[in-house]
Amino acid sequence: GAVVSQHPSWVICKSGTSVKIECRSLDFQATTMFWYRQFPKQSLMLMATSNEGSKATYEQGVEKDKFLINHASLTLSTLTVTSAHPEDSSFYICSAPLASGATGELFFGEGSRLTVL
Amino acid sequence: GDSVTQMEGPVTLSEEAFLTINCTYTATGYPSLFWYVQYPGEGLQLLLKATKADDKGSNKGFEATYRKETTSFHLEKGSVQVSDSAVYFCALSPGNQAGTALIFGKGTTLSVSS
Repeated sequence: GAVVSQHPSWVICKSGTSVKIECRSLDFQATTMFWYRQFPKQSLMLMATSNEGSKATYEQGVEKDKFLINHASLTLSTLTVTSAHPEDSSFYICSAPLASGATGELFFGEGSRLTVL
Repeated sequence: GDSVTQMEGPVTLSEEAFLTINCTYTATGYPSLFWYVQYPGEGLQLLLKATKADDKGSNKGFEATYRKETTSFHLEKGSVQVSDSAVYFCALSPGNQAGTALIFGKGTTLSVSS
């Protein structure tokens, strides 16, 4: 099956610093990737859609200047949390569909847990 | 807009008990429906899916049937194991299209004791 990998799986940073999370599709090309955020004991909230070769599309209420998304290639999307604050602490999960898939299934990365001190 | 509603947890069961987690949806088109499972500290894994009405998805003893008339996709398992303890998410893909973000329910935590 299709594999999506995230790195790092967990990161701790100081308030005010920036953190980059990578999402890679290992055995398929992904022109689109989705970034979700999951708060403790809550559902996944879609943050943005990452599009290879063009700007990301952000969901309402998500600060695009704070959560920078770059889809550099057909297998890599990055999420950079800029000037992180404790309220940005969360579990960030990326996912990607198979371009040829007709069922709408998404393949998810392992997730990246960010803790901002 | 499209949405998914699933029963609130946590659900606590003894090993070998019967499991039902209710899920209903609202959608304007003909969505695909999914159950994903998240084990502690891990990402989401697809458990099963159904792409059209009356389809039954099944995997690892879990089953769910796409019921258009009741807009439901309830998850069932006849005999749960301790290893089934996890968070279960019902989700839909609007319009059965590739390249579309999934819409998730809030998740149901299942805890199975021996």
